[in-house]
Order: sequence, then C-alpha cells, then structure tokens
Amino acid sequence: SQELEQSPQSLIVQEGKNLTINCTSSKTLYGLYWYKQKYGEGLIFLMMLQKGGEEKSHEKITAKLDEKKQQSSLHITASQPSHAGIYLCGADTLGSQGNLIFGKGTKLSVKP
Amino acid sequence: DTAVSQTPKYLVTQMGNDKSIKCEQNLGHDTMYWYKQDSKKFLKIMFSYNNKELIINETVPNRFSPKSPDKAHLNLHINSLELGDSAVYFCASSQAGFGNTIYFGEGSWLTVV
Repeated sequence: SQELEQSPQSLIVQEGKNLTINCTSSKTLYGLYWYKQKYGEGLIFLMMLQKGGEEKSHEKITAKLDEKKQQSSLHITASQPSHAGIYLCGADTLGSQGNLIFGKGTKLSVKP
Repeated sequence: DTAVSQTPKYLVTQMGNDKSIKCEQNLGHDTMYWYKQDSKKFLKIMFSYNNKELIINETVPNRFSPKSPDKAHLNLHINSLELGDSAVYFCASSQAGFGNTIYFGEGSWLTVV
C-alpha cells in the first residue's frame, strides 16, 4: 500500500462550490507540502505545514494538518475554473528535508 | 523570472542513446533535487544534492547520474536510455535545512522510442 494516500482521485465540482481533498500518511509527518500541477507545467507550491493542528490559508485555499500529524486536508472555498488542476500532497516522513514522498494526486475539474 | 528552469522541455530519443537534462535555479538555494514522475503519475525522488553531499535513491539505476558544475546547476545525465525511462523529470531546489519550501521546475518530458 502507498505510504501517502490522497482522496478522492478525481473531483468534478460546479463553480462556486466548496471542496475538500484529503491526504493520509501511514507515518508521522515531519512536513506536509501541497502543490498544484497543471498539464505541461511544473508544480506550483501552495502551502507547507509542520506543526500538529496547524492551519494555513492563501486566498480561497486552506490547508490543515491534524494533531497527530498523519493527515492533512486542503479545502477550497467557492471554487473557480482557475482552481482546476491536479493537487499533490508531498510528505517528509523521514525528517530528511527534500526527500518527499508524494500521493497520486487529485484531479480537480471545475464546471463553469 | 523563472526560479527553477529546465531544458529541454520535451525530448524524444531512441533507445540506447545518452542524453542530458539541464537545470538551473536563480533562488540562491544550496540544495537541488531530481524527481521522476512516471506514467502512473507517481512523483519520486531520484537524487538530492548540495555542495557537501549527494544522496541517491537506491532504486535509481546507475545509468542516471547528476552533475553539478556549480551551486545553481544540477544536470541529469542518462546513459543507454531504455523505454522505461520515459517519464517526466522534475528538477527542484530549496535551502538546506528542515522545513524550507521546495520549488519545482516545469518538468522535462522524456520519451524513449
């Protein structure tokens, strides 16, 4: 089984709706990174969480790391077509910075 | 200005050839990485490198070798290319030390025919 599981694998939402993507690790997370990937483009850094219970927001995107540091969620409020893409969570489970393991990604489509 | 840039973006080559992908970062970072995203979209680390240490993922074949002419560059050389090497290769960089943001390049699409 994968060390880092993302759910759902894909998501289609109507513009304006809220949505949540989850990322669950079988190991303690020393750091949890959220990236967005569009086809033909690189990974765009969204947020990084380190402390249990930490929550960060940027524009309409909020990410949380649970107290046990094994699960993170990414919440998008009032989704827009510009939010469409593949969301990847990357985790440092070794405490060795830079050696991230990634989930398979969640493909988000937003219908206008 | 692109923070982490890779060239070429697309590369189609024949089996058995030797090729290189270049990576440059203008962020002043001292650690660089190569990641591989396979056909199943899994993104896995291949190497991490700073001027002190090269860490190699043990699953990476020795046909792959990183070369760093200076702190701002980490090129990826691949010898005797195989069909299974077809993938997207991402370069990344960060400051050394725990908890620093890792910035990725746009990726290089390698197709081996």
